[in-house]
Amino acid sequence: DAKTTQPPSMDCAEGRAANLPCNHSTISGNEYVYWYRQIHSQGPQYIIHGLKNNETNEMASLIITEDRKSSTLILPHATLRDTAVYYCIGTYSGNTPLVFGKGTRLSVIA
Amino acid sequence: EAGVTQFPSHSVIEKGQTVTLRCDPISGHDNLYWYRRVMGKEIKFLLHFVKESKQDESGMPNNRFLAERTGGTYSTLKVQPAELEDSGVYFCASSRNYGGVSGNTIYFGEGSWLTVV
Repeated sequence: DAKTTQPPSMDCAEGRAANLPCNHSTISGNEYVYWYRQIHSQGPQYIIHGLKNNETNEMASLIITEDRKSSTLILPHATLRDTAVYYCIGTYSGNTPLVFGKGTRLSVIA
Repeated sequence: EAGVTQFPSHSVIEKGQTVTLRCDPISGHDNLYWYRRVMGKEIKFLLHFVKESKQDESGMPNNRFLAERTGGTYSTLKVQPAELEDSGVYFCASSRNYGGVSGNTIYFGEGSWLTVV
């Protein structure tokens, strides 16, 4: 799996957009970028994934650079319940197990 | 559609005892994974089943851990005998058998907390 680099922590004001960066400079052409989050000690929750194009769903948007060496997860209107550790994971899809790093601890502040 | 379910949610056992954790994947998911997070550490992969076969068990820490998935449905993870360092939260996850080009999402359960005293 591709190695990813994320800042250890970030703060965001409630109601503002949270932009979480991820560097994945070693990603190959057929590796997806997946984002998960872990709220407190719950099970990791899938957020979004993409390959080349930007993606959006009801939870977030994923912006992938054209060279695919980095991406940004955007939570458009962060709430206190979005406080969690966010993981950016590069993986060959299919059935390959995910490899978790340290992630980014996002604190949403009222 | 029910998600990945795990049982028990919490377990406290004494060192040397045996504990069996159970995971029911999402219906129709051939892939089943076990992960573990010990205090202060990252989430670590333990093993991967495809149906009833072990595809990858490279993350299993030692032979005190035994995972089974008879019939390719639910899975059990047995720790025997348990040691103090086995304490942590054990996550199960599942996914469909990949067959397309849109990526294959892995879904996690809420975990089974194990405390060995």
